[in-house]
Parts: sequence; C-alpha cells; structure tokens
Amino acid sequence: QQQVKQSPQSLIVQKGGISIINCAYENTAFDYFPWYQQFPGKGPALLIAIRPDVSEKKEGRFTISFNKSAKQFSLHIMDSQPGDSATYFCAAITGGFKTIFGAGTRLFVKA
Amino acid sequence: SAVISQKPSRDICQRGTSLTIQCQVDSQVTMMFWYRQQPGQSLTLIATANQGSEATYESGFVIDKFPISRPNLTFSTLTVSNMSPEDSSIYLCSVLQFRRGGTETQYFGPGTRLLVL
Repeated sequence: QQQVKQSPQSLIVQKGGISIINCAYENTAFDYFPWYQQFPGKGPALLIAIRPDVSEKKEGRFTISFNKSAKQFSLHIMDSQPGDSATYFCAAITGGFKTIFGAGTRLFVKA
Repeated sequence: SAVISQKPSRDICQRGTSLTIQCQVDSQVTMMFWYRQQPGQSLTLIATANQGSEATYESGFVIDKFPISRPNLTFSTLTVSNMSPEDSSIYLCSVLQFRRGGTETQYFGPGTRLLVL
C-alpha cells in the first residue's frame, strides 16, 4: 500500500527556473515530513523537513509548502542549478520513527 | 551529524550463497534501520534494529532471510541469506539522530550494491 504519492516521476527545468515536486499522504498519524536528495551512487541526504503545524519552511533556495487539510506538501527549488540535478524523495514519518518514502522524482536542470 | 560507512561497497555473488553487510556509525545511536533500494526506485524499509532488542521486520521481510545483528550502539550487520537474483539491489543502512528541541534527522550510508548471478 503506497502511503505517500509523489509526482512527477521526472522533471526537466531550465537553469534559473523553479522546480516543483508534489507529494500527498493518507495517514494522518504522520507528524514529520522530510525531503531527501540523492545523487547517483550515494545514499539519500536530508534536504529540508517540516512538521504539520507549520504551513511553510524555507532554507536558502529550498521551500516546503504544507497543506494539512489537503494532506499535501510540496518542494520548491528556486533558481534551479545544474548541480541540483538529482533524485528527490519526499517522506513521511510516524511517531514510531518509521519513514515511508515517496516514489522519487528525477530532476534534470538544463544549463 | 552522523557519518555512516558500509562494507562492502559492492559485491557480485552466486545464488545460494550469503552476504553479510556491515554498517559502522561514527557516533552512538539508538535507532538503526536497513533499507533496500532497487536501482532507480524508492527505498523500502527492511527492518528496524535497536540495540538491546530483537530487530523488527516489515511485511515481506523475515529474519531467516535477512538476519540482523546489533551488538552495540555504533555497529550493525545485515545478512542476505540464500541469495537469488531477485535479491540484487542496493542495501542501505540508516540511523536516526535526535537533536535538542525534539527534532530528529535520519542519515543514510552510501549503500552496498549487490548483484546476484
């Protein structure tokens, strides 16, 4: 059962553009929503995370928007750079610290 | 932050054999996890390995196939037993580190790339 749905599967953005990745969840017990960035041959690395009592969190060029009533959250990458080309995973964690990952989005930023 | 190393980084094995993957963390952590990731796919949790207790396996994964050891707060092993080509995957070790203020951060190792022939 897929509990975190992520879209799109792949994304191509021009350098300087905005990359937007969306996720939706079903289980209202989730209370922590991290985003991970993974480069080929590496393990995922935490990018930014948010709790459901906050509607938006910004760290540098990365912003999470969170809509608790719709059970959706999204990652915005402003001024996208070729170095941002990677696979991005949204995730949701319950109080039991079990992480459920989305399917992943392959981002390619064209120079 | 926690730095995680895994050994081996990759291996090619014959079906029917077993491989033990080691995970070493540079700091003491209570919660460790083992994931599997098919190339180009998402991560699937195999089990949670907390020091001092039996590993907890997710649906579809059993101890006989994936025995786990957690002898101390910085080390764990995952064994892939009686391997078949379907076990070809990337196996990732992960730890959860708690910070002051009630936040937690999950760190991942670089993964072990396993190919079963």
